[in-house]
Amino acid sequence: AQTVTQSQPEMSVQEAETVTLSCTYDTSESDYYLFWYKQPPSRQMILVIRQEAYKQQNATENRFSVNFQKAAKSFSLKISDSQLGDAAMYFCAYRSGPGAQKLVFGQGTRLTINP
Amino acid sequence: NAGVTQTPKFQVLKTGQSMTLQCAQDMNHEYMSWYRQDPGMGLRLIHYSVGAGITDQGEVPNGYNVSRSTTEDFPLRLLSAAPSQTSVYFCASRPPRDRGSHTEAFFGQGTRLTVV
Repeated sequence: AQTVTQSQPEMSVQEAETVTLSCTYDTSESDYYLFWYKQPPSRQMILVIRQEAYKQQNATENRFSVNFQKAAKSFSLKISDSQLGDAAMYFCAYRSGPGAQKLVFGQGTRLTINP
Repeated sequence: NAGVTQTPKFQVLKTGQSMTLQCAQDMNHEYMSWYRQDPGMGLRLIHYSVGAGITDQGEVPNGYNVSRSTTEDFPLRLLSAAPSQTSVYFCASRPPRDRGSHTEAFFGQGTRLTVV
């Protein structure tokens, strides 16, 4: 069974600085998807970024980028120029290839932004 | 475009009571699923459906029932609520095709359920 591990329960960063959230996963599959979701206090789950395992290029969405290391099964999220609105719980998630239904989530990392 | 709508947003039940959490989506998504979120454990899959009339169990199905009579609706039933079912429940939907289309899951805003 696939597992996702986020080893940092809490992280904090100064506003405008850069922070990296860690995620590792375990799978025997070669085709899969990885996601980072943001959950602000409103509880809404918001997709931040996604990475297809077959793509070697790291995904980027504005200030958010990932470092995808397939061999090491690592998928970290880098947030540049941190803003107060980035404060939230961040979840790393895994999904198997086409047609798969189940998302496997990590335990989450609570990110605090210090003004 | 309302997306995924869950009702109610908050609910308090007594042990042994039954209730149905409602989930509706207006995006014509075939895939729908229910997750529960507990502190320190992320989200875990309860049940899912790949289309009307088709449902299957996820990681933590005990104590919950589902049915899928239409593409739009996917209700989650608690037949006899227990304190262990105190949690935040999320419904999600997504289209089934992966290549060349949006494939991420769209989540509802969640239902906070407390069983006393």
